[in-house]
Amino acid sequence: GNSVTQMEGPVTLSEEAFLTINCTYTATGYPSLFWYVQYPGEGLQLLLKATKADDKGSNKGFEATYRKETTSFHLEKGSVQVSDSAVYFCALSPRLSGGYNKLIFGAGTRLAVHP
Amino acid sequence: GAVVSQHPSRVICKSGTSVKIECRSLDFQATTMFWYRQFPKQSLMLMATSNEGSKATYEQGVEKDKFLINHASLTLSTLTVTSAHPEDSSFYICSARPAGGQDEQYFGPGTRLTVT
Repeated sequence: GNSVTQMEGPVTLSEEAFLTINCTYTATGYPSLFWYVQYPGEGLQLLLKATKADDKGSNKGFEATYRKETTSFHLEKGSVQVSDSAVYFCALSPRLSGGYNKLIFGAGTRLAVHP
Repeated sequence: GAVVSQHPSRVICKSGTSVKIECRSLDFQATTMFWYRQFPKQSLMLMATSNEGSKATYEQGVEKDKFLINHASLTLSTLTVTSAHPEDSSFYICSARPAGGQDEQYFGPGTRLTVT
């Protein structure tokens, strides 16, 4: 089956620290991979995506590389800010025939950044 | 662009009543919309997928007669929780995939349902 495993939070960092949130997946075939972010009181927003092996998604200083050999899609940022405090969800979309692809989410990792 | 709205943002209802939640894509047409439940400090659980003009596809374990989904137009899907019970209290989130899109989904801000 398809599943996503994320590191448990909360992750607490000081401003300007380096961030890594681990994500591994199990999937049949070649899924697309995503990171979504949910700021307090808001809906999920797409942060970045990668659709094939070795692709690197990047946005707002965040990066993640699609590693097929380790079935991973770890999220990184070199220097976090207080405004990055949110819940981060790793997700995959299996490439299903029939035209629609649903998202399968990990449990989410809460990040708290302190000044 | 790609804004999805939900209404209401919060609703409190009595046990046994029905509640309708609307999901709208404001600046794009969505052939497919998805409905999720999110429990406190947990991930999103897909409930059903709706395609415009056809019946929704429900995930295993989701009661289709209890959670009625209608996707009557390319910009509107509704979720009706019928005969609500306290255990239906949750955060309901919809998302929409643009017509012609592949994997991306755009999420609404969610609706907090409390059944008393």
